[in-house]
Amino acid sequence: QSALTQPPSASGSPSQSVTISCTGTSSDIGSYNYVSWYQHHPGKAPKLIISDVTRRPSGVPDRFSGSKSGNTASLTVSRLQAEDEADYYCSSYAGNNNLVFGGGTRLTVL
Amino acid sequence: QVQLVESGGGAVQPGRSLRLSCAASGFTFSSYALHWVRQAPGKGLEWVALISNGGYEKSYADSVRGRVTISRDNSKNTLYLQINSLRVEDTAMYYCARDRYTSGWGGGDFWGLGTLVTVSS
Repeated sequence: QSALTQPPSASGSPSQSVTISCTGTSSDIGSYNYVSWYQHHPGKAPKLIISDVTRRPSGVPDRFSGSKSGNTASLTVSRLQAEDEADYYCSSYAGNNNLVFGGGTRLTVL
Repeated sequence: QVQLVESGGGAVQPGRSLRLSCAASGFTFSSYALHWVRQAPGKGLEWVALISNGGYEKSYADSVRGRVTISRDNSKNTLYLQINSLRVEDTAMYYCARDRYTSGWGGGDFWGLGTLVTVSS
């Protein structure tokens, strides 16, 4: 199973918005709504910020939002803050009891 | 509060075996599926294995199937990962994560800090 495709980097200035894409296939993102997004600060535990494509867990700011169109999922971070600087990973159920992650996107707040 | 603490990592030679553990607390352990996810140095996250809440359903990534066994002891609130025939490419930080659902695939809502496995001769 191939990894999902994410841009290696993204950036934005404080208060701006940035969108990170996650491209899969009709066998994973295109077929299931089990898409999750994680924020990972190096040295810390990854944190779930979006599940089931659009669901935001309790405690996650509403600046984070998820969407999906066809085989591509997206994470939008609005009103960027310095603490949003981190690595972001998408994942999707890929059928046949398989889970696949994206390669990760390093978000830089300028 | 939910806590997951991995242990058992270390430096090992290729071909040897290792058993990782993940001690859980702060939630009803037997109600949740659990994952192992790893991250090689400088690389992204890679899903390794999933076990259902009761331990009866297990799933593995193609990259480790046949060499890895996931298991759990609900009486001890502990998750395990047995890795046999270790390869250099198994070098990674290994994380355990709780899934939102009993059977898995809902996303890992709590993660540990990981345990580092280094495979080198």
